[in-house]
Amino acid sequence: DIQMTQSPSSLSASVGDRVTITCRASQIIITYLNWYQQKPGKAPKLLIFAASSLQSGVPSRFSGSGSGTDFTLTISNLQPEDFATYYCQQSYSTPPAFGQGTKVEIK
Amino acid sequence: EVQLVESGGGLVQPGGSLRLSCAASAFTFSNYWMHWVRQAPGEGPVWVSRITTDGSATTYAGSVKGRFTISRDNANNTLYLQMNSLTAEDTAVYFCARGYSSRPASAFDLWGQGTMVTVSS
Repeated sequence: DIQMTQSPSSLSASVGDRVTITCRASQIIITYLNWYQQKPGKAPKLLIFAASSLQSGVPSRFSGSGSGTDFTLTISNLQPEDFATYYCQQSYSTPPAFGQGTKVEIK
Repeated sequence: EVQLVESGGGLVQPGGSLRLSCAASAFTFSNYWMHWVRQAPGEGPVWVSRITTDGSATTYAGSVKGRFTISRDNANNTLYLQMNSLTAEDTAVYFCARGYSSRPASAFDLWGQGTMVTVSS
């Protein structure tokens, strides 16, 4: 099975900051990498699919990059509603594994 | 409104059974592979199972294989998860999710609100 490792596990940032979250796959997954945002008590929400494609309705301050094994989610101009936990997920092979999450907290 | 609504969760004793349902609305349910994903308290999501559009093929995570059964009723736009021989390790919020593409592994572009399953004596 492919393992997904995110870093950092948590970070503190201020409104207006640029935030970067990293995800590494245990083997090459090409660009089969997706990013989700989850707020407490809610379901995950798809933000980015295929490493860099923005899901419909998601603000353009969210962007994704990477290929192979290393991927990045960037949030530019962090907004109050962006404080949440973010997960990466590989969709290259079964089982479609998630990372352990990165919690973005208010500084 | 395009949505998925789960039901059927609750408290069950170890060794017991539970059947979850997921009602789909406002999209062509029969066109999509469907999945169950669970999330234990304080943990990340974990994929559980998937089913093809016509229900002819199913796949399971190793931790639930032989105990859980996924099925669907396209006439009634409903997805199911039959869970048997439950243990404390199955305690989690269970989400149904729509596969973004018809790939065995997929992104999940629509999620239900989740239903809590607690296995405890």
